[in-house]
Amino acid sequence: EPEVTQTPSHQVTQMGQEVILRCVPISNHLYFYWYRQILGQKVEFLVSFYNNEISEKSEIFDDQFSVERPDGSNFTLKIRSTKLEDSAMYFCASIPTGLDLNTEAFFGQGTRLTVV
Amino acid sequence: RKEVEQDPGPFNVPEGATVAFNCTYSNSASQSFFWYRQDCRKEPKLLMSVYSSGNEDGRFTAQLNRASQYISLLIRDSKLSDSATYLCVVNTGFQKLVFGTGTRLLVSP
Repeated sequence: EPEVTQTPSHQVTQMGQEVILRCVPISNHLYFYWYRQILGQKVEFLVSFYNNEISEKSEIFDDQFSVERPDGSNFTLKIRSTKLEDSAMYFCASIPTGLDLNTEAFFGQGTRLTVV
Repeated sequence: RKEVEQDPGPFNVPEGATVAFNCTYSNSASQSFFWYRQDCRKEPKLLMSVYSSGNEDGRFTAQLNRASQYISLLIRDSKLSDSATYLCVVNTGFQKLVFGTGTRLLVSP
């Protein structure tokens, strides 16, 4: 069964460092997302990406964050200068198309980011 | 008002019990609705979509009331393996999925 894959599964970084979280969405999917979940809290929307550009972003997704689809398969989330409060689980998700609003979103297994 | 609101629980029930979870959403233009299940430190996984006519999948029944902006999930004959957090998810339009805080279910022997 096709799946969304994320790497690394766990990343520890020092405050102020840049990190890049990687995702490979399911190959025929067109909409991509990043969500984050701080330990014990809800899953929060960060950004959606369609047709090689940001479709929507939340207030959390400030200038420290950026997304890219560099090669047609990978979908990356970059945090330029990490803060302690960026420590969270980051989930990538994808859906096949933007036309069917009842379609399921498929989530990767997540990257646990720990900022120290 | 929160976009998607759920009682965080936990709901502690014995095996075999019936348990119901509720969820309300604030955006009346929301297009579609889902229940996802999340196990501890794992990714959310789709449990079922929620349709206006109500739908059932085995022991699970979902209902949607658009007038009241209310979604429910009923689990019958609870199993130990049903212990998880149940996430109410709303597609508010333009394929933006908004999650509730989740309701934690603990099923005990």
